[in-house]
Amino acid sequence: KQEVTQIPAALSVPEGENLVLNCSFTDSAIYNLQWFRQDPGKGLTSLLLIQSSQREQTSGRLNASLDKSSGRSTLYIAASQPGDSATYLCAVPNTGNQFYFGTGTSLTVIP
Amino acid sequence: DVKVTQSSRYLVKRTGEKVFLECVQDMDHENMFWYRQDPGLGLRLIYFSYDVKMKEKGDIPEGYSVSREKKERFSLILESASTNQTSMYLCASGGGGLSSNQPQHFGDGTRLSIL
Repeated sequence: KQEVTQIPAALSVPEGENLVLNCSFTDSAIYNLQWFRQDPGKGLTSLLLIQSSQREQTSGRLNASLDKSSGRSTLYIAASQPGDSATYLCAVPNTGNQFYFGTGTSLTVIP
Repeated sequence: DVKVTQSSRYLVKRTGEKVFLECVQDMDHENMFWYRQDPGLGLRLIYFSYDVKMKEKGDIPEGYSVSREKKERFSLILESASTNQTSMYLCASGGGGLSSNQPQHFGDGTRLSIL
């Protein structure tokens, strides 16, 4: 069974810093990997989807990379802002239709 | 814009009641999912559906059933609610192995309390 791990569980940075969130997975036979953010008491918002054939995806200040062979993905956030404070989760689908989620990294950006 | 709508944001029910949670998507997706999210346990899949009237059990189906009579609507049913079903319930639509170019989209969640 796929296992998805996110380290660290929590991260606190001053505003303006660049930061990296990590996601690792045990089974490299993935179709894609998706990054989400979740605000307190809300659902998940899709940020980026990287196909298994891609190495990077970018959206604004966010850049996600994927290294299938090593079972790792990173989410890079440039010039962090207080509005980026949220929990960030990564997820991978298996060969069926099940998704495996990490437990998330809780990010706090201090003004 | 993509839209997944859950019928209630907050719901309070009594032990033993039959509870219905509704979810509607407007993207014509085949796949729809029900998760619950609990502190320290992350998201856990209850059921998913890959077509009308088709369903498969996820990791924690006990005490739940689902209904998908129309493509856009996926309902989660708690047959006889119990206090250990107090949780945040999240509906999602899209994505999955055969739809690998399709992101998964979530509703805003239903915070369900069973008293």
